[in-house]
Amino acid sequence: DTAVSQTPKYLVTQMGNDKSIKCEQNLGHDTMYWYKQDSKKFLKIMFSYNNKELIINETVPNRFSPKSPDKAHLNLHINSLELGDSAVYFCASSIGLAGNYEQYFGPGTRLTVT
Amino acid sequence: AQSVAQPEDQVNVAEGNPLTVKCTYSVSGNPYLFWYVQYPNRGLQFLLKYITGDNLVKGSYGFEAEFNKSQTSFHLKKPSALVSDSALYFCAVRDRGYNNDMRFGAGTRLTVKP
Repeated sequence: DTAVSQTPKYLVTQMGNDKSIKCEQNLGHDTMYWYKQDSKKFLKIMFSYNNKELIINETVPNRFSPKSPDKAHLNLHINSLELGDSAVYFCASSIGLAGNYEQYFGPGTRLTVT
Repeated sequence: AQSVAQPEDQVNVAEGNPLTVKCTYSVSGNPYLFWYVQYPNRGLQFLLKYITGDNLVKGSYGFEAEFNKSQTSFHLKKPSALVSDSALYFCAVRDRGYNNDMRFGAGTRLTVKP
């Protein structure tokens, strides 16, 4: 069974559209994250959720909104997509917020905005 | 502010030879340190971490890393490289405590040649 799964794997859309990426973890973890990996493979944290509460919100445009229906799911909704949003988005989870916990990553969603 | 540097974009080694992927960090106090590996079109996989105790940490797939506080380094090593080790390797640092985000290095591409 896949520990952290994301759908879709690939997403191609036009500027101005609204899209969502779904993430599910079956590890029983309390904390989930969204990362953005750019074309140079640089990884940046976007959000983290612990027990359905937003914990970290980096300088991410408010067009991006995480939504967590329960602690096993953390979806990413993006409004008014822009060319610069093209990237690979990774979901991850960890046991909790303490710094010594490693994170488990999903396979990624490659978003292409045309 | 915490940061992590991977000074080499690319490391090339011959199969069977030892490999080292370098990582240095800058953070106040004693950080938690992690290594992750990313294979093409895949999410990051956790390899190993340093929390406390023995400076030499052993992880998955025969990898190990040595925490050196005086040099603020956490280099990844393997005694005998395999072609299948070819991938992108990320070092990450996290402040001790609660609710601190994980900062990733820029990544080092390891190529092991037969």
